[in-house]
Amino acid sequence: AQSVSQHNHHVILSEAASLELGCNYSYGGTVNLFWYVQYPGQHLQLLLKYFSGDPLVKGIKGFEAEFIKSKFSFNLRKPSVQWSDTAEYFCAVISTGGFKTIFGAGTRLFVKA
Amino acid sequence: KAGVTQTPRYLIKTRGQQVTLSCSPISGHRSVSWYQQTPGQGLQFLFEYFSETQRNKGNFPGRFSGRQFSNSRSEMNVSTLELGDSALYLCASSSPGVGGELFFGEGSRLTVL
Repeated sequence: AQSVSQHNHHVILSEAASLELGCNYSYGGTVNLFWYVQYPGQHLQLLLKYFSGDPLVKGIKGFEAEFIKSKFSFNLRKPSVQWSDTAEYFCAVISTGGFKTIFGAGTRLFVKA
Repeated sequence: KAGVTQTPRYLIKTRGQQVTLSCSPISGHRSVSWYQQTPGQGLQFLFEYFSETQRNKGNFPGRFSGRQFSNSRSEMNVSTLELGDSALYLCASSSPGVGGELFFGEGSRLTVL
């Protein structure tokens, strides 16, 4: 069965610090990968996605993620976080052509001003 | 373009009661997925519908059911409510050709007393 593991449940950073959130998935076939973000009081929205091609993908607000197929990983990065990045981040995976997106448990990021 | 609309936004029920939640997807989206979100558990997949057919189902008891109508609107029902059913129930819609990208509603927050 597919599963997604996010390594950190809570992360606290100061503004301007660099961010890396780990995500590993288990699935033997071809997958599409996503990071979603849920800002306080808002609905979940897409941060970035990987379908194929360049394994380094860029998303909104300066976020990027790197797909490493050999490690089944899709880690999220941002060089310099801002207070407004305080949110919960979810990694998600769906098998190519599938109908069921599996989410990780989420990482709550708090950025201190 | 209107987003995904979920009703009601908040509701309180007592154990043993049943509840019906509604979801109107983005116009033109024919796939609707439902998730249960609880702190520390992330998003747990309930089921996915496309053109009135359930294509996939998560590992929830039979008390959780859903359906989709010809206009793509969807409902989910939980019968014989238990305290552990307290959660945020999210609906997401999707369209073929976007690789499984989900567009979420704001959710229905259910409290079971």
